Amino acid sequence: GAVVSQHPSRVICKSGTSVKIECRSLDFQATTMFWYRQFPKQSLMLMATSNEGSKATYEQGVEKDKFLINHASLTLSTLTVTSAHPEDSSFYICSATPGTIYEQYFGPGTRLTVT
Amino acid sequence: AQSVTQLGSHVSVSEGALVLLRCNYSSSVPPYLFWYVQYPNQGLQLLLKYTSAATLVKGINGFEAEFKKSETSFHLTKPSAHMSDAAEYFCAARGGGSNYKLTFGKGTLLTVNP
Repeated sequence: GAVVSQHPSRVICKSGTSVKIECRSLDFQATTMFWYRQFPKQSLMLMATSNEGSKATYEQGVEKDKFLINHASLTLSTLTVTSAHPEDSSFYICSATPGTIYEQYFGPGTRLTVT
Repeated sequence: AQSVTQLGSHVSVSEGALVLLRCNYSSSVPPYLFWYVQYPNQGLQLLLKYTSAATLVKGINGFEAEFKKSETSFHLTKPSAHMSDAAEYFCAARGGGSNYKLTFGKGTLLTVNP
């Protein structure tokens, strides 16, 4: 149980284009989903927290107009990187939780490369 | 604010040797504590968690961790390392109640030598 999927697992896009990453909780309803960014050989940096039906809460320093997060249902959240640039290349990981007393369940990650 | 410190960005052990990965937390309230493992190009897998029940927590793959409030530590151990244990390990903490954001340590890369 408690499986989280991400799609795509790997994406390459040209500079200036937008790319959407999906995060799905497959066997539970996720009241809250989180989006993280991980640079090579570094820890996870929380980008934003999203609750179903509400606007996402972004961490300080994260551009909300660049990283659009939509949490339209209890099983799906999307992260759209708009007007991507090479510096946006990174490993993006989502996590989901069915409630505050539970741990977060992590997706397998999406490797974004912007050329 | 929470902070998590992992001492040693890289730990190298021989196969069959004891694994000890250190984690200290800073929190004004007893936190929930977690250890995650990450294999290359993969997400995080939960090894074990402390949620204010037993202070010695057993996890998957033979790992365990002990919560020591007096030392604000939550070190991860395994009696005998296996080659498949080679990975990145992250310690994380979250507060109680509705504060469920995780704060991660910087990670410790474990290598296991044959």
